[in-house]
Amino acid sequence: QLQLQESGPGLVKPSETLSLTCTVSGGSISSNSCYWGWFRQPPAKGLEWIASIYYSGSTYYNPALQSRVTISVDTSKNQFSLKLSSVTAADTAVYYCARALGGGWFPGDSWGQGTLVTVSS
Amino acid sequence: DIQMTQSPSTLSASVGDRVTITCRASQIISSWLAWYQQKPGKAPNLLIYKASSLESGVPSRFSGSGSGTEFTLTISSLQPDDFGTYYCQQYKSYSTFGGGTKVEIK
Repeated sequence: QLQLQESGPGLVKPSETLSLTCTVSGGSISSNSCYWGWFRQPPAKGLEWIASIYYSGSTYYNPALQSRVTISVDTSKNQFSLKLSSVTAADTAVYYCARALGGGWFPGDSWGQGTLVTVSS
Repeated sequence: DIQMTQSPSTLSASVGDRVTITCRASQIISSWLAWYQQKPGKAPNLLIYKASSLESGVPSRFSGSGSGTEFTLTISSLQPDDFGTYYCQQYKSYSTFGGGTKVEIK
């Protein structure tokens, strides 16, 4: 059974870069038609898609965040990663990684449990 | 970008009730719409994709309909485990979510 697990610092200082990694187990990150993405959810608020990537390296970014976001994939480790630069308190959220089938911004059918990242000095 | 508007924002219903949640898109998205259920402290769970296709393992009491700009999620007979917040997501052009509908069991 496919499992995704987010990892990374739970506290990031304002103006610094948030870095998260998602480790995929129970399946290959290089599977055809599988896209890998990041979502976030500020406390008591709704969901936001951040970015997605295909194992070949094709990337898809939310235009609202594109200038600050980098997504990458490491097929040898079955991992993909997110970097979000120049963070502010507005970036405080639970960050989820997920698999999407068929397209870069298609629905996530398998999700990690989420990790809370707080931006504070 | 495409805006998604859900209604109602909250609803309270009894076990066995038929429940309907509506999602409207700010422009035509064909059938590129998904529905999720999210329980407190948990990741979203995909229920419906392509507006009306039931995700594997999801109970048949959940159904989706609509195309273009108006979509509906229906729970035919509300069960105690159906509490939570429901979100729609468009994936016609990038991806955006509705604001959510919180479902409470009376």
